[in-house]
Amino acid sequence: DGGITQSPKYLFRKEGQNVTLSCEQNLNHDAMYWYRQDPGQGLRLIYYSQIVNDFQKGDIAEGYSVSREKKESFPLTVTSAQKNPTAFYLCASSTLTGIKTYGYTFGSGTRLTVV
Amino acid sequence: AQRVTQPEKLLSVFKGAPVELKCNYSYSGSPELFWYVQYSRQRLQLLLRHISRESIKGFTADLNKGETSFHLKKPFAQEEDSAMYYCALLSFQKLVFGTGTRLLVSP
Repeated sequence: DGGITQSPKYLFRKEGQNVTLSCEQNLNHDAMYWYRQDPGQGLRLIYYSQIVNDFQKGDIAEGYSVSREKKESFPLTVTSAQKNPTAFYLCASSTLTGIKTYGYTFGSGTRLTVV
Repeated sequence: AQRVTQPEKLLSVFKGAPVELKCNYSYSGSPELFWYVQYSRQRLQLLLRHISRESIKGFTADLNKGETSFHLKKPFAQEEDSAMYYCALLSFQKLVFGTGTRLLVSP
């Protein structure tokens, strides 16, 4: 069953701790993205990667880090430097050639709560 | 700068009423626009893309370059249309999203 999987679904973190959110896809998509979804603010781009071993900052990259060691995987680390980490995090993927036609495929999201 | 504006946070209508969810954009080139929908407890999914000029679940959206708009319309709303709707603009192989409009369709 092809798709994009995010884990865990819910995550609790203590202040001062780093935490890593997983995103895996088996769609053979070139590009992967991380967005943060907050009420009233829509989806804001954190990081994206269009090729293995390369990634670019989005609009709100401060306090986050990513890696892209494999085409299928794009984990996001929320560091202790992120001032307001409690949010819903969405991972997405796309082909580069088909993005105008197919847009993104989204994961089901991870809700991170800092306690 | 590329920007998508959805002016309404909430749109509440009765079943059978027409619906128009507004989307305006700013973009210097030729825009590629999408509508995404998120039903309760489901993942965000593509509803419409402007290049296809299609009708999905009775929804249509027309690109108006003069008004820089891509409003989503449906002539007769159904209760199952209740969801969060996002307009998105493709810019340098990335999607820029609006803040979303929650549509509530009451019986």
